[in-house]
Amino acid sequence: DTAVSQTPKYLVTQMGNDKSIKCEQNLGHDTMYWYKQDSKKFLKIMFSYNNKELIINETVPNRFSPKSPDKAHLNLHINSLELGDSAVYFCASSRLSDGTQYFGPGTRLLVL
Amino acid sequence: SQKIEQNSEALNIQEGKTATLTCNYTNYSPAYLQWYRQDPGRGPVFLLLIRENEKEKRKERLKVTFDTTLKQSLFHITASQPADSATYLCALNSNSGYALNFGKGTSLLVTP
Repeated sequence: DTAVSQTPKYLVTQMGNDKSIKCEQNLGHDTMYWYKQDSKKFLKIMFSYNNKELIINETVPNRFSPKSPDKAHLNLHINSLELGDSAVYFCASSRLSDGTQYFGPGTRLLVL
Repeated sequence: SQKIEQNSEALNIQEGKTATLTCNYTNYSPAYLQWYRQDPGRGPVFLLLIRENEKEKRKERLKVTFDTTLKQSLFHITASQPADSATYLCALNSNSGYALNFGKGTSLLVTP
């Protein structure tokens, strides 16, 4: 009964490719997020969606485009991948009224 | 600029002792502060949330204090066990919404 799931768990790809990461939550939460954790383990917010609408975009390059087809899903599409995109990407969700966040297991992206 | 600072060096303690981790912040007026635990290869897991009008919160062997004057939170694990070994992250709600800004985390190692 995974609360927040992400696919794939690992993603190895070449520079310049386009890739997507999928996220689903079965907690009934209103808000979903994407975070990036770099090699120094620093966890940084990228996007936040509430009821399928974008509410936070933290100066992320245009190559990153989140899409929320419904409240339970938030996917991340990355165009023209660069070496610096290599990181672990975490999806998370929360109830709007409560700051507690539930994280997925992460997607480890390696760009060669 | 906003900063969240945690002990950058790893904390090594002996089993049974109390571990104390520090989180200091600047240029925030947080409504609440949270602590998460992250194990290698996994997403952060929520531990405790403390609100600005609360001085202290406890959950089993965990205790968090929050001093908004000092702009500091202390996280204590009493009677520590090797299973408590992990990285502990301090997080504050961002000004732009319910997304979280994280400190870099403190790595705790509890040895038998």
